[in-house]
Amino acid sequence: DAMVIQNPRYQVTQFGKPVTLSCSQTLNHNVMYWYQQKSSQAPKLLFHYYDKDFNNEADTPDNFQSRRPNTSFCFLDIRSPGLGDAAMYLCATSITGGVGSPLHFGNGTRLTVT
Amino acid sequence: GEDVEQSLFLSVREGDSSVINCTYTDSSSTYLYWYKQEPGAGLQLLTYIFSNMDMKQDQRLTVLLNKKDKHLSLRIADTQTGDSAIYFCAETSLRGTGANNLFFGTGTRLTVIP
Repeated sequence: DAMVIQNPRYQVTQFGKPVTLSCSQTLNHNVMYWYQQKSSQAPKLLFHYYDKDFNNEADTPDNFQSRRPNTSFCFLDIRSPGLGDAAMYLCATSITGGVGSPLHFGNGTRLTVT
Repeated sequence: GEDVEQSLFLSVREGDSSVINCTYTDSSSTYLYWYKQEPGAGLQLLTYIFSNMDMKQDQRLTVLLNKKDKHLSLRIADTQTGDSAIYFCAETSLRGTGANNLFFGTGTRLTVIP
């Protein structure tokens, strides 16, 4: 089945140690998103790619970066994780960036920072 | 700015109907979505409604939209224990960002009592 796959499901990193989360999709969608969801909170958009065009949300910390080497893959890099970055990170895709284009989410990667 | 509000908790007995409510503030919202999140998992798209519609039905799910009051509800008929999850309401509107940026409510935790 076509889907959005995130690896790993659980990631533990040390304070200040760079970490990369990965997302792949078989849907061939143009847009890929990264959301951060802290405990008991709503998901919050960090950034998105429309094809190769990167779009950062205004309040996304510089500590967070992203790469999309091809249509299928997108990575979230956290350069120096702090304790406050512990969260579930959700990758999503949509066919287009249009408002009627639903987002399809992966199962998320839960990041723990020790 | 955008604000989406939901009640935090709802408990129903198995077989009863569940009604999850959501209010939003952005009058330019064009699409409204309902997502389901099971423990430790990503968000699963349940249904969505365009703002020029009052109602949408999909099997056990009925979405009602009162655009005047900016009120959205999700009714689940014959609620089952497998429906226990967190339900997120989300809205989107044309923002020219090139992405379908969803603004989520804080989610309603539905507990189904056998």
